[in-house]
Amino acid sequence: DTGVSQDPRHKITKRGQNVTFRCDPISEHNRLYWYRQTLGQGPEFLTYFQNEAQLEKSRLLSDRFSAERPKGSFSTLEIQRTEQGDSAMYLCASSLDRVLSPLHFGNGTRLTVT
Amino acid sequence: AQSVTQPDIHITVSEGASLELRCNYSYGATPYLFWYVQSPGQGLQLLLKYFSGDTLVQGIKGFEAEFKRSQSSFNLRKPSVHWSDAAEYFCAVAERNSGYSTLTFGKGTMLLVSP
Repeated sequence: DTGVSQDPRHKITKRGQNVTFRCDPISEHNRLYWYRQTLGQGPEFLTYFQNEAQLEKSRLLSDRFSAERPKGSFSTLEIQRTEQGDSAMYLCASSLDRVLSPLHFGNGTRLTVT
Repeated sequence: AQSVTQPDIHITVSEGASLELRCNYSYGATPYLFWYVQSPGQGLQLLLKYFSGDTLVQGIKGFEAEFKRSQSSFNLRKPSVHWSDAAEYFCAVAERNSGYSTLTFGKGTMLLVSP
């Protein structure tokens, strides 16, 4: 169990650029989640996958955001035309495919949009 | 949707003193509740969870939490705080609308430990 891995740890980009983050879950975990955390707030749910199927998306996930998990293993989160309000910590988590199975979080990708 | 309130943004506790972090939830039925801890630059780590049964639950690192339905609370406690406990603590509830697949977090309480 190597834990949930996220890459990169930090990303600085200029407004209007596109960015992509990667998450590698714990290998036997079928579920993968993306959360966003801004300063002074708790993590907010964005979306989650069960295997390769994206089962739920938050209304926070605007049309500039897209997430994929093409083979049911790693996942990518892309933000197009970044805005300063996108600056946040993006957290990935994974869990077993059981109701109320605990989430295991990665260390996050901190995005700064200048 | 359910919600979670953590009334204290910051708490400072002397090392060796006891700790209680407050969490209140809003949900009509029995909620599924969690406490997570986040150290600087790290992801969140699960401390403990409450699903049903005994209202006093034990977690890792010497933490415990008590579910009180009458007060809609799930407060986190530790009898003697260590300097390494300094971190941010989040209470969370599993969202019924998502089949309990997603969590709604409170805004967190930052714990500072003084010597």
